[in-house]
Amino acid sequence: DAKTTQPNSMESNEEEPVHLPCNHSTISGTDYIHWYRQLPSQGPEYVIHGLTSNVNNRMASLAIAEDRKSSTLILHRATLRDAAVYYCMPVRRDDKIIFGKGTRLHILP
Amino acid sequence: EADIYQTPRYLVIGTGKKITLECSQTMGHDKMYWYQQDPGMELHLIHYSYGVNSTEKGDLSSESTVSRIRTEHFPLTLESARPSHTSQYLCASSEFPGRVNTGELFFGEGSRLTVL
Repeated sequence: DAKTTQPNSMESNEEEPVHLPCNHSTISGTDYIHWYRQLPSQGPEYVIHGLTSNVNNRMASLAIAEDRKSSTLILHRATLRDAAVYYCMPVRRDDKIIFGKGTRLHILP
Repeated sequence: EADIYQTPRYLVIGTGKKITLECSQTMGHDKMYWYQQDPGMELHLIHYSYGVNSTEKGDLSSESTVSRIRTEHFPLTLESARPSHTSQYLCASSEFPGRVNTGELFFGEGSRLTVL
């Protein structure tokens, strides 16, 4: 299984951008990079995914390093509702999906 | 909106009882998963399946068993519940990731089990 490394926790001020890093140095060439988040007392929810190119959706942006060994989830304007644990993981077509410890994001009003 | 359902949402049961947690999805997904999570702790994969008659153990050893007789149904069974089984159990499903499919995991609302 490809391993990921994320900061245990991060803080950000409300209405400011947040950059959440993830290292996945053992990623394989065909692995997708997925990000999920888990709000308090809820199950995880999908945020975004990518393969090689940067990606944008209504929730966030995903910046993928050229060597694909790291990626950054960008929340452009954090709100209090974005306080959650954020998980990144490589996802292989024929393999299971493992969640790591993730990054606990605190948003300061 | 995710079409994946778990029952019961909450279960309090005595030691030694047999329990089955139900999980059903109507999206036709081949991949299904069971995760276990204690409050404030990591999600641990305990079982997964790639389709009918396929079941595999996850990274966390579990005394529970699963079956996949139908694509839409992935029940988890504990033959003899113990207090150490007290936890939240989350079921999820996904397509195989590819050019068209994201491989996004859809989660049910979870089953919170308390064994007295």
